[in-house]
Amino acid sequence: AQSVTQLDSHVSVSEGTPVLLRCNYSSSYSPSLFWYVQHPNKGLQLLLKYTSAATLVKGINGFEAEFKKSETSFHLTKPSAHMSDAAEYFCVVSTLGNEKLTFGTGTRLTIIP
Amino acid sequence: KAGVTQTPRYLIKTRGQQVTLSCSPISGHRSVSWYQQTPGQGLQFLFEYFSETQRNKGNFPGRFSGRQFSNSRSEMNVSTLELGDSALYLCASHGGSGGDTQYFGPGTRLTVL
Repeated sequence: AQSVTQLDSHVSVSEGTPVLLRCNYSSSYSPSLFWYVQHPNKGLQLLLKYTSAATLVKGINGFEAEFKKSETSFHLTKPSAHMSDAAEYFCVVSTLGNEKLTFGTGTRLTIIP
Repeated sequence: KAGVTQTPRYLIKTRGQQVTLSCSPISGHRSVSWYQQTPGQGLQFLFEYFSETQRNKGNFPGRFSGRQFSNSRSEMNVSTLELGDSALYLCASHGGSGGDTQYFGPGTRLTVL
């Protein structure tokens, strides 16, 4: 079985300050982990993906995430928030042989000007 | 490469009607997955088709069905629509292996009155 827990349903940060969106996962096998972003009334865009290579994964738009097996975490960070980062972010898990994606409940990121 | 396309983008139906949604995957991708997104339940997996065969299925009633054609295009059908079927329906295409990145279309917004 696989699952993800996004620890914050809503995060607000000021423009130019760091962003931290937290995600814990559970998986019986070596997981593939993803972060997707969804802007209002849009589909899902892939930010980054972890597949057991480097534990620090760099994504688009300055985002990165670190896979920590001991903590079963895959938190998403960005050093400096931009107004365009305001969106909903989903942490997602899948495993080899299981093509179904399991989504977290999402974290809404608000950027304060 | 062209991305995933979904048609129509918006649809309004009444209870009891049926609806068919279409998804064209990225060229070369053999797998299409469908997801339902609602404010209450979040993103839930409906089913996955690979090489014209349903390979995985989520926990949805039999009113939800799908198919895939030899060109990998997929359709999903919902019969006897209920108010609770109002949702954003997203399709995603990928190469077909677990852990593959799934690329999402913009979605079809279905409103059931």
